[in-house]
Amino acid sequence: QVQLVESGGGVVQPGRSLRLSCAASGFMFSTYGMHWVRQAPGKGLEWVAVLSYDGTNQNYADSVKGRFTISRDNSKNRVYLEMDSLRPEDTAVYYCAREDYSSGNFAADHWGQGTLVSVSS
Amino acid sequence: AILMTQSPSSLSASVGDTVTITCRASQGIRNNLGWYQQKPGKAPKFLIYGESNLQDGVPSRFSGSGSGTDFTLTISSLQPEDFATYYCLQDYNFPLTFGPGTKVDIK
Repeated sequence: QVQLVESGGGVVQPGRSLRLSCAASGFMFSTYGMHWVRQAPGKGLEWVAVLSYDGTNQNYADSVKGRFTISRDNSKNRVYLEMDSLRPEDTAVYYCAREDYSSGNFAADHWGQGTLVSVSS
Repeated sequence: AILMTQSPSSLSASVGDTVTITCRASQGIRNNLGWYQQKPGKAPKFLIYGESNLQDGVPSRFSGSGSGTDFTLTISSLQPEDFATYYCLQDYNFPLTFGPGTKVDIK
């Protein structure tokens, strides 16, 4: 079955960097786009970034553009989120999600359990 | 960025009730709208894509409708496991944007 497992979260000081990882299994990872979505404590969902199946196309939320970089290693079935110049407002649970277009419409059809990033001095 | 709004922000209902949640986009998004359910401490669960198509395994008491700028999620005969927060998500263009969520709790 499809599984997504995030890791790499933790407590980090403002201005520092952190890299999140999402390990995928149970499907042909190299044929799916992947997304990161975050949720600040007690708040709603915020889309963060997407990377195409082959790593050639990416898009970011304005709030993270220029600071965050999404990448993937299809040989390892992993997608990453490199977060630089972290701010307190980046504190959130970060989820990775698989993108599916098999129906002809977009679906974030499988999600990981999330990893918590806390930016604090 | 396309702004998504939802109403109401919260509602109280009883088991067996029918509830309707509205999602509005700040510009036309055709049928590029999905619905997600989230329970406390859990990852979101994908429910509906293309504004009205149920994901495999989603009970038929869930239904979606609308197009353009106005969309609705209807839950018929509310069940105990349906008490959760519901989010709409537009995928018409980047950046993707979620609505602020509608919390459905027990009356």
